[in-house]
Amino acid sequence: QQQVRQSPQSLTVWEGETAILNCSYENSAFDYFPWYQQFPGEGPALLIAIRSVSDKKEDGRFTIFFNKREKKLSLHITDSQPGDSATYFCAAHFNTGNYKYVFGAGTRLKVIA
Amino acid sequence: NAGVIQTPRHKVTGKGQEATLWCEPISGHSAVFWYRQTIVQGLEFLTYFRNQAPIDDSGMPKERFSAQMPNQSHSTLKIQSTQPQDSAVYLCASSLDVGDTGQLYFGEGSKLTVL
Repeated sequence: QQQVRQSPQSLTVWEGETAILNCSYENSAFDYFPWYQQFPGEGPALLIAIRSVSDKKEDGRFTIFFNKREKKLSLHITDSQPGDSATYFCAAHFNTGNYKYVFGAGTRLKVIA
Repeated sequence: NAGVIQTPRHKVTGKGQEATLWCEPISGHSAVFWYRQTIVQGLEFLTYFRNQAPIDDSGMPKERFSAQMPNQSHSTLKIQSTQPQDSAVYLCASSLDVGDTGQLYFGEGSKLTVL
């Protein structure tokens, strides 16, 4: 009921291409979905987030598309750069009651120059 | 402004030994979270505190894991009788508050290796 699933497990794209990372969830009570970016040897850091009342959130080259009916969301990274190579975690969060974040297993992105 | 500080960065223990991991949250943050990171499972929730009170420990293996927050500047995660399957990176995060304004700020993690 509280699982968050991510696909693919790993992804390789060429510099300049658009990388698409997918996420799905089961619990319809989740209402806030942040994406965290993690570089080797570091802790994850917030990249971008969306609330369930929205269907799209943009921040520069990063865009979240959200489909509440299908309980799916995706992170699009346009004009991918080698510096975007990292692991990306999709997370889900209740806004009332228990405030813990549930994370997916992550997608390891590699951008080749 | 220092971030979340975790110590030690690396710890190696023998099977059956005890391991204690420390976390210093960002000053002024009211919530502290502990996660375990492995390649296979990703980020697994362990437990969290709000204003030093334990709120949810549903992710903690009950028999050997315990967490405390004796004061607002310090939390510990203790693993008794460590097993090889406990090998992972343990991440501590703090947030100013909970709710959707509660952005998590993670430390760099403590990598535990159980031989």
